[in-house]
Amino acid sequence: QVQLEQSGAEVKKPGASVKISCKASGYTFTAYYMYWLRQAPGQGPEWMGIINPDGGSTTYAQKFQDRVTVTRDTSTTTVYMELSSLTSEDTAVYYCATPPIYYDSSGYLFDSWGQGTQVTVSS
Amino acid sequence: QSALTQPASVSGSPGQSITISCTGTSSDIGGYKYVSWYQQHPGKAPKVIIYDVSNRPSGVSNRFSGSKSGNTASLTISGLQAEDEADYYCCSYSSSSSWVFGGGTELTVL
Repeated sequence: QVQLEQSGAEVKKPGASVKISCKASGYTFTAYYMYWLRQAPGQGPEWMGIINPDGGSTTYAQKFQDRVTVTRDTSTTTVYMELSSLTSEDTAVYYCATPPIYYDSSGYLFDSWGQGTQVTVSS
Repeated sequence: QSALTQPASVSGSPGQSITISCTGTSSDIGGYKYVSWYQQHPGKAPKVIIYDVSNRPSGVSNRFSGSKSGNTASLTISGLQAEDEADYYCCSYSSSSSWVFGGGTELTVL
């Protein structure tokens, strides 16, 4: 089955950057896009970006365009998300997710999710 | 402020049915058949329960159903059970090549 294992919680100061990893297993890594989302306390999820592991092309939400970088390492089947210039408003749980791997769909949904990585931004 | 509008809370008694609405625009819900719904229990990652407006992943109870009319999508849960108590989020693909979510609806089973 699909497994997405994320790196551990982070505490950062305002202005710093954070880099979170998401190791994928249980499927062909380069065959499916990987999404990044975040969820601030008491709010709904927010889509941040997407990477095609086959080639590495990315698309980012306009809100994060200038601050987010998503990369991948095909040798370790790991995707990374780096967010820079952190402020307190970036305090959230960050998730990686994939579209459905084992059933047919449009692909425009988030099926398998990582366990989440808590990022806290505080001075 | 979320892009899609959901009621903050709904409630129902065991066995009853409830419907959660999700209102967007012609640039998201109204323009695509890519509406999905997620259930989230405290401290857990969201779980997809409806995709492509009205389809259920394998293993999701048929008590959950989805529909869409114009710019509004709906999630109906029939035969409410205590385990259905959770937060529910709608999501739609949008014309800006991105995804937008609702602010979430807290379901209380009385």
